[in-house]
Amino acid sequence: EAGVTQSPTHLIKTRGQQATLRCSPISGHTSVYWYQQALGLGLQFLLWYDEGEERNRGNFPPRFSGRQFPNYSSELNVNALELEDSALYLCASSLWGGHSYEQYFGPGTRLTVT
Amino acid sequence: QKEVEQNSGPLSVPEGAIASLNCTYSDRGSQSFFWYRQYSGKSPELIMSIYSNGDKEDGRFTAQLNKASQYVSLLIRDSQPSDSATYLCAVGYNAGGTSYGKLTFGQGTILTVHP
Repeated sequence: EAGVTQSPTHLIKTRGQQATLRCSPISGHTSVYWYQQALGLGLQFLLWYDEGEERNRGNFPPRFSGRQFPNYSSELNVNALELEDSALYLCASSLWGGHSYEQYFGPGTRLTVT
Repeated sequence: QKEVEQNSGPLSVPEGAIASLNCTYSDRGSQSFFWYRQYSGKSPELIMSIYSNGDKEDGRFTAQLNKASQYVSLLIRDSQPSDSATYLCAVGYNAGGTSYGKLTFGQGTILTVHP
């Protein structure tokens, strides 16, 4: 079974530009989560999408946004990039409903803002 | 107070020993608890999940949960050099509210298993 896939692997942008990151969940998973892992800050929750809807959002400014497509893949957009946006962006997917929601991570997209 | 705290590392154990990793959490409403392993330069890999008080064993790994003490731990028996990684404790909340759906992670404990 294929895992979560993310593209691109690396992305280099200039301050003020926009970045678009993509994620495909494990087949059968309807929920997609985005996390940011910045140096020294640990894993921080960004966004959760399920069935095409944004279900929850972390403590990040509105320039971080995203969407989920009918095939459950997802896109994270970061507008007006700032130097501190440089981080590893991780996408995870899970089944939803019921007692638990084990989240499985993709390999990540390393975003560098210069 | 941090929401999820892990014992400060790094933790170094000899090959074959038991490695003990600890985690405490502040939100009593937390309902799901996970341990992830993250090798340097890689993404986190789910190794254990636990939802009820007590122990859960999977191979060399045992997760222990005590909701009254707001404490979750991971024991790795017969530690191998390949277990050397950062171990992340994550806590989830299944009901509504601002914590709904997301996982809150600890800062991680670096484990080194030396031959």
